[in-house]
Amino acid sequence: LAKTTQPISMDSYEGQEVNITCSHNNIATNDYITWYQQFPSQGPRFIIQGYKTKVTNEVASLFIPADRKSSTLSLPRVSLSDTAVYYCLVTGGGNKLTFGTGTQLKVEL
Amino acid sequence: ETGVTQTPRHLVMGMTNKKSLKCEQHLGHNAMYWYKQSAKKPLELMFVYNFKEQTENNSVPSRFSPECPNSSHLFLHLHTLQPEDSALYLCASSQEGESTDTQYFGPGTRLTVL
Repeated sequence: LAKTTQPISMDSYEGQEVNITCSHNNIATNDYITWYQQFPSQGPRFIIQGYKTKVTNEVASLFIPADRKSSTLSLPRVSLSDTAVYYCLVTGGGNKLTFGTGTQLKVEL
Repeated sequence: ETGVTQTPRHLVMGMTNKKSLKCEQHLGHNAMYWYKQSAKKPLELMFVYNFKEQTENNSVPSRFSPECPNSSHLFLHLHTLQPEDSALYLCASSQEGESTDTQYFGPGTRLTVL
């Protein structure tokens, strides 16, 4: 089973771009990288999923290098409402959907 | 979002009580999940149902009893709980039971066991 490692916390200011990197050294060929966001006392919400190179949607971008051993979630121009916990998961194949401790992002004025 | 609803939102119960949590999804999905999130801990997957059949039970104590009468409804029956069972209980659904499927979570039930 692929394990992920991401920073416990990050701080940013409104209007800045935030990049959260996740390492997943033993990712398998059939695995995908998926990111969820969770606000306090709410369920997680899907943000983005990718397999390789770059994926972009209306919320974020996901950058995955060729070796796929890491990935970076990029949030453009964050606002206070982006303060949340962000989870990086490796999904697919024999992996269960396993949420780690995530990265607590705090955005300030 | 109202795709996945959970009731009640808050529940306080004594250790000898019996209560049930309810989850309903309006997304036409075939898989449903129960998670437990204790304070400052990661989400723990408890049960998975796929097409009404239980496909996963992650060593959950028998005082938690799930029920899935159809693909749209999921219950978690609680009895003789312990104070350490106090947590946020989250329900989720996905199209199938694959981990690559996007899971849609409900707002959760905040459970306090006295």
